[in-house]
Amino acid sequence: SQKIEQNSEALNIQEGKTATLTCNYTNYSPAYLQWYRQDPGRGPVFLLLIRENEKEKRKERLKVTFDTTLKQSLFHITASQPADSATYLCAVNAGNMLTFGGGTRLMVKP
Amino acid sequence: DGGITQSPKYLFRKEGQNVTLSCEQNLNHDAMYWYRQDPGQGLRLIYYSQIVNDFQKGDIAEGYSVSREKKESFPLTVTSAQKNPTAFYLCASSITGDHSNQPQHFGDGTRLSIL
Repeated sequence: SQKIEQNSEALNIQEGKTATLTCNYTNYSPAYLQWYRQDPGRGPVFLLLIRENEKEKRKERLKVTFDTTLKQSLFHITASQPADSATYLCAVNAGNMLTFGGGTRLMVKP
Repeated sequence: DGGITQSPKYLFRKEGQNVTLSCEQNLNHDAMYWYRQDPGQGLRLIYYSQIVNDFQKGDIAEGYSVSREKKESFPLTVTSAQKNPTAFYLCASSITGDHSNQPQHFGDGTRLSIL
């Protein structure tokens, strides 16, 4: 069956360090992968979209990689700040629909 | 400011009642979606609409109904047939109906609970 797996355990890091979140997918061959940020009690906010022919994409302190051989995307936040604390969701296209992972909660401590 | 407005923020339902969740967007987007989010789980698609007067079932449509009479509005009714309706409901939109390669814009959700 198709699955999108994100680490369900919270990731705790110190301010200033680089946070790396993982998204693994099985039985998909997505052409696109998206990352969203969700704060408690709020809707997700779009961050980045990466295409299968793009190995890496950057936006300010954010970097996303997309390895179609490993079926994995990595999401990096450099110079992390307490304000980066949130849950981060990845989503892949299944046909022309988006399917979301369960998210990983990031806690950045001052 | 453009965006998606969901109301109410919190909603309580008695057993056997139908309730309707509101979703309005002023982004001029063609496509709209309803998702359900349960603790620790990903968003699951209930219904989506690519254009006015058209909508399709998602993965978990049983016990739900929608309408799309106006481009701006996509209300979701949770019927009494939905046996486990307690969840966080999210409405989203995208520019066109090709969902996969476009960002989706989300409202801030409605939390539904059973009394």
